[in-house]
Amino acid sequence: GQSLEQPSEVTAVEGAIVQINCTYQTSGFYGLSWYQQHDGGAPTFLSYNALDGLEETGRFSSFLSRSDSYGYLLLQELQMKDSASYFCVGLYNQGGKLIFGQGTELSVKP
Amino acid sequence: DAGVIQSPRHEVTEMGQEVTLRCKPISGHDYLFWYRQTMMRGLELLIYFNNNVPIDDSGMPEDRFSAKMPNASFSTLKIQPSEPRDSAVYFCASSSGTGASYEQYFGPGTRLTVT
Repeated sequence: GQSLEQPSEVTAVEGAIVQINCTYQTSGFYGLSWYQQHDGGAPTFLSYNALDGLEETGRFSSFLSRSDSYGYLLLQELQMKDSASYFCVGLYNQGGKLIFGQGTELSVKP
Repeated sequence: DAGVIQSPRHEVTEMGQEVTLRCKPISGHDYLFWYRQTMMRGLELLIYFNNNVPIDDSGMPEDRFSAKMPNASFSTLKIQPSEPRDSAVYFCASSSGTGASYEQYFGPGTRLTVT
């Protein structure tokens, strides 16, 4: 099958670092993306990992380990505006089809 | 570019009525996707098109749902007849299909309420 697992919710304080983990099924897997969705809004693209290792984009980093079928999104210097849902998303069998995980709701507290 | 455009933004209808949701993808994008989002089921892919041709409709819940893409700049998702369990936010997204990530650009969504 093609599915992804991630925690349903995470809470952290402003200024802290938080890591959101994701495991995925490997059949037909090409790469792992992360999308952010603020309440009531459209999901927006954050990052993509095709190869093992860490990709850094400002305060956000994403990691992939194909041997472990595992990835994570790392958010540093948390801000209140980072409170949102974060989806790990698998690219399977190319062709543009993305499979979304259930999403992790991040709450950033003052 | 204006981004992906969806209409209407909100729709309230009674059970049994036909509902048509509309989407205009980003110009030049070859892929178009329809998603449904609910608290219970999360974000589900319903169907997607490549160059106006339906590629995968395995996510369409049942025969009450149908989608068309008559040209590169317009797509519809129709529910007939609608039922209360169809209440959800329906997103349309488009992608250029280039670049390794197949990054998708989502529209603002249509919030559908069926009473």
